[in-house]
Amino acid sequence: QVQLQESGPGLVKPSQTLSLTCSVSGGSISSGGYYWSWIRQPAGKGLEWIGRIYPSGSTNYNPSLKSRVTISADTPKNQFSLNLNSVTAADTAVYYCAREGFSMFGANVFDIWGQGTMVTVSP
Amino acid sequence: DIQMTQSPSSLSASIGDRVTITCRASQTLSKYLHWYQQKSGQAPRLLIYDVSTLKSGVPSRFSGSGSGTDFTLTISSLQPEDFATYYCQQSFSTPTFGPGTKVDIK
Repeated sequence: QVQLQESGPGLVKPSQTLSLTCSVSGGSISSGGYYWSWIRQPAGKGLEWIGRIYPSGSTNYNPSLKSRVTISADTPKNQFSLNLNSVTAADTAVYYCAREGFSMFGANVFDIWGQGTMVTVSP
Repeated sequence: DIQMTQSPSSLSASIGDRVTITCRASQTLSKYLHWYQQKSGQAPRLLIYDVSTLKSGVPSRFSGSGSGTDFTLTISSLQPEDFATYYCQQSFSTPTFGPGTKVDIK
């Protein structure tokens, strides 16, 4: 059973870099067939996809965040990470990591999620 | 980006009611429309993918339908554990989610 667990600081100062790690158990992030994504949700609001990393190590980001986001992987540790720089209060949210699987029609679906971690941007 | 809208934004219903939630996309999605359920304080959970395919383990009272830009999630007989917020999501291009529909107790 694949499980994902986010970790990282719960408080980040404005203009600094938000850094989170997703630890994956029960499956390898470097094996084919899945992508690995970050998604966030401000309190009381909807979901925003941040970006993904492929087993090859290449990445794909939401254009609205692309200039500030880096997603990387540590395959020996079976982890992938999110760095979001120059944060403001608008980046305060619950951050989720998620596995992207593929349907029979080739559609990407977020089929397994971590429990989420709250990050507050405040002085 | 493909914009997603949902209606209603919230609804109140009773146990046993039939509930219908609508999702509309700003452009045609083919089969790339999926539904998630999120309970308070929890991560979203995939319910339905490819418009109408139920994820394994999801009760059969949930169903999805639609095509093109208009899609529907139906709960045939609402149960206590179904009170939650429901999101549609498209994967035709850069993933985007609808704003959610909160289902609460009447």
